[in-house]
Amino acid sequence: SQQGEEDPQALSIQEGENATMNCSYKTSINNLQWYRQNSGRGLVHLILIRSNEREKHSGRLRVTLDTSKKSSSLLITASRAADTASYFCATRVNGANNLFFGTGTRLTVIP
Amino acid sequence: EAQVTQNPRYLITVTGKKLTVTCSQNMNHEYMSWYRQDPGLGLRQIYYSMNVEVTDKGDVPEGYKVSRKEKRNFPLILESPSPNQTSLYFCASSLSWTGSEKLFFGSGTQLSVL
Repeated sequence: SQQGEEDPQALSIQEGENATMNCSYKTSINNLQWYRQNSGRGLVHLILIRSNEREKHSGRLRVTLDTSKKSSSLLITASRAADTASYFCATRVNGANNLFFGTGTRLTVIP
Repeated sequence: EAQVTQNPRYLITVTGKKLTVTCSQNMNHEYMSWYRQDPGLGLRQIYYSMNVEVTDKGDVPEGYKVSRKEKRNFPLILESPSPNQTSLYFCASSLSWTGSEKLFFGSGTQLSVL
């Protein structure tokens, strides 16, 4: 079964608005990562948050992690048309030799 | 430039005709992995390799083979492809697998099995 699931499946916003995507997972994790995928291309790593961290920032990205609720959120501030892509959360489960990916959120930023 | 290179980018084949998708990384990474991406199912791991000559099954290994004879190369082999292996395939690598490494992905191989 999937470890991570993103919500919503699709999101459409105007340029300049903020975009928030959520990820829920099922078991204890070592870390959680967010990746971006442009239209069928390879995924690109955005940010990693460890299980003992609650919030992390990188440029216009803000990630939070709530291990008690087994959930994470990715906030993209002041969105741009170039942010249009699919965003995936990936969890590193303790002892596993894999990252478990969710099904992704498709973000469309309208110019 | 640091990268993971997959070939081919697109491949159309027929049922039963053996094929190989190549993957090469130039970052001296120990860990390499293959994923398939299908609509509604996200990315699922096929096989992974912790280092040279060390490979193991992921979540969906049936119908696939891999080998890791050199650190930089990790080919994916479909001995007898079937239509249910039609998918978008990604190779990925990371420096090692000790906890906090990020994955670097190739550009993908779109495979269609007729």
